[in-house]
Amino acid sequence: EPEVTQTPSHQVTQMGQEVILRCVPISNHLYFYWYRQILGQKVEFLVSFYNNEISEKSEIFDDQFSVERPDGSNFTLKIRSTKLEDSAMYFCASRFDTEAFFGQGTRLTVV
Amino acid sequence: GQQLNQSPQSMFIQEGEDVSMNCTSSSIFNTWLWYKQDPGEGPVLLIALYKAGELTSNGRLTAQFGITRKDSFLNISASIPSDVGIYFCAGLLLGGATNKLIFGTGTLLAVQP
Repeated sequence: EPEVTQTPSHQVTQMGQEVILRCVPISNHLYFYWYRQILGQKVEFLVSFYNNEISEKSEIFDDQFSVERPDGSNFTLKIRSTKLEDSAMYFCASRFDTEAFFGQGTRLTVV
Repeated sequence: GQQLNQSPQSMFIQEGEDVSMNCTSSSIFNTWLWYKQDPGEGPVLLIALYKAGELTSNGRLTAQFGITRKDSFLNISASIPSDVGIYFCAGLLLGGATNKLIFGTGTLLAVQP
């Protein structure tokens, strides 16, 4: 069964460093998302992406964040200068029509 | 922005009991989705609802899309220990450039064998 895959599963980085979280959406899907979940809290919308551009972004998705679909398969989230409060699980999701499927997440720890 | 409130926040039940949880919004959604999340894992899609009033089942799970399009509920019948996890509703809003999938606050379910 097709699935959304995310790498790495866990990333530890020093404060101020740049990180890139990678996602491979399901191959025929057209809409892509990034979400953040701080431990024990709700799943927060960051950004949606369609037709090679951002559709919508939340107030969390500030200038430190960017997304890219560099080729036909990958969808990346870059955090330019990480802060301690960026520590969270980051989930990628994709959908073709109305059903959105999620990856297993990347646990980002900023130290 | 849109908010989805789920209730209850948590439930502690005995194996075999039925469970009901709901999700309400101040906004209308085109589609409601229900997900389950196990610790350290990504949300897994359980049920999708596409039109107001729709009632859909998936095994022991039943969900309904509210008539007003601003709410949805999920029932789990005859709960078992592996039902433990966090259940999230999510509303999909489509239209024009809008392409937003918003998650509810979650309901933590604990099942005692």
